Amino acid sequence: DAGVTQSPTHLIKTRGQQVTLRCSPKSGHDTVSWYQQALGQGPQFIFQYYEEEERQRGNFPDRFSGHQFPNYSSELNVNALLLGDSALYLCASSLEEGSSYNEQFFGPGTRLTVL
Amino acid sequence: AQSVAQPEDQVNVAEGNPLTVKCTYSVSGNPYLFWYVQYPNRGLQFLLKYITGDNLVKGSYGFEAEFNKSQTSFHLKKPSALVSDSALYFCAVRDGDSNYQLIWGAGTKLIIKP
Repeated sequence: DAGVTQSPTHLIKTRGQQVTLRCSPKSGHDTVSWYQQALGQGPQFIFQYYEEEERQRGNFPDRFSGHQFPNYSSELNVNALLLGDSALYLCASSLEEGSSYNEQFFGPGTRLTVL
Repeated sequence: AQSVAQPEDQVNVAEGNPLTVKCTYSVSGNPYLFWYVQYPNRGLQFLLKYITGDNLVKGSYGFEAEFNKSQTSFHLKKPSALVSDSALYFCAVRDGDSNYQLIWGAGTKLIIKP
């Protein structure tokens, strides 16, 4: 049973560029959340997708957008990259049923470096 | 506003001794509490959670945590530490049934010395 997968593993971009990160949820999961984890800090919630809609959003600007596909996979897009966007981006999946108390399963993350 | 505090950046314990990693939280509704562990170059792994019921919850790898409502704490414990327990530990909270956002602490580095 495949867990949560993310691609790419690492990415280097320059300021002002755009980036797309991809996530495939754990088999049977229908809800995907995205987090940003800066070095030495805990993850920060970006948003959560369910039924192809953004269900809740954290305190991130509109430069951060996402999408969920019918097969439950998801993309995170970041436009107009800033140096401060350099971080580990984590994708997590879970089951909608009992979503408030179901644990999330995390992928290994995508390390984004903005130069 | 929701928040989680892990007051210790690092905890050092000798192998075989009991360990405690502290977590306190602040939410307006019912807290749903979680502990995760992060190993180097690996994703976050779920350890245990408190939703309701017994204040002492047991999880993976022999870890347990005690929910204390009056002290708004959810400390992670293990009776006998292993060197392999060395990792970064995160406490997280969700505020109630209708909030899907997980709020995370800054993490505590646990070092178990042989």
